[in-house]
Amino acid sequence: NAGVTQTPKFRVLKTGQSMTLLCAQDMNHEYMYWYRQDPGMGLRLIHYSVGEGTTAKGEVPDGYNVSRLKKQNFLLGLESAAPSQTSVYFCASSRHLTGNTIYFGEGSWLTVV
Amino acid sequence: AQSVTQPDIHITVSEGASLELRCNYSYGATPYLFWYVQSPGQGLQLLLKYFSGDTLVQGIKGFEAEFKRSQSSFNLRKPSVHWSDAAEYFCAVGARGGSQGNLIFGKGTKLSVKP
Repeated sequence: NAGVTQTPKFRVLKTGQSMTLLCAQDMNHEYMYWYRQDPGMGLRLIHYSVGEGTTAKGEVPDGYNVSRLKKQNFLLGLESAAPSQTSVYFCASSRHLTGNTIYFGEGSWLTVV
Repeated sequence: AQSVTQPDIHITVSEGASLELRCNYSYGATPYLFWYVQSPGQGLQLLLKYFSGDTLVQGIKGFEAEFKRSQSSFNLRKPSVHWSDAAEYFCAVGARGGSQGNLIFGKGTKLSVKP
């Protein structure tokens, strides 16, 4: 019972490099989310998707792009990494848009130097 | 816009003592309310949630929370804390029928447990 799986778990990037975080869920959930977690800030929504082929901006979308080509996958891209994007990134999914339990992955630790 | 406040950044309690973590929210109507727990190096796990009905909600690991509309609060309680409860706890608010669909999280309360 994998749930929500994120890869990679840890990554160090140089400023200006690009990378993609992959999220996969096996619960057939319609909705998927990318959050970032910073000390003292809680979790903030970056982008989310309400279904295959759709994406929408969250609270802090700048510097990130996302794609949902397959229902089970939600990719988060950093085109040109900046030190301000050093954070822990969490992917999550839920069956419905609101009111439903959101299931989280275990996080991806990203450091930009 | 909805918001969530967790007034206590860090709380320390002795093992076996009771616990109450505070959560206040701002929202125009009755929201969906959640408590999540995060152990070090882990993702968030749902403890309990309130959608409607009984305002006292039971969750996993012996936790409960009470929704008080008049106080806009959803405080988390546990009668006797175990050392394994040391973690960070997040309260979250979800809008009913909202178009964004995301949860708004509080900034978290870190719980330390003294032996």
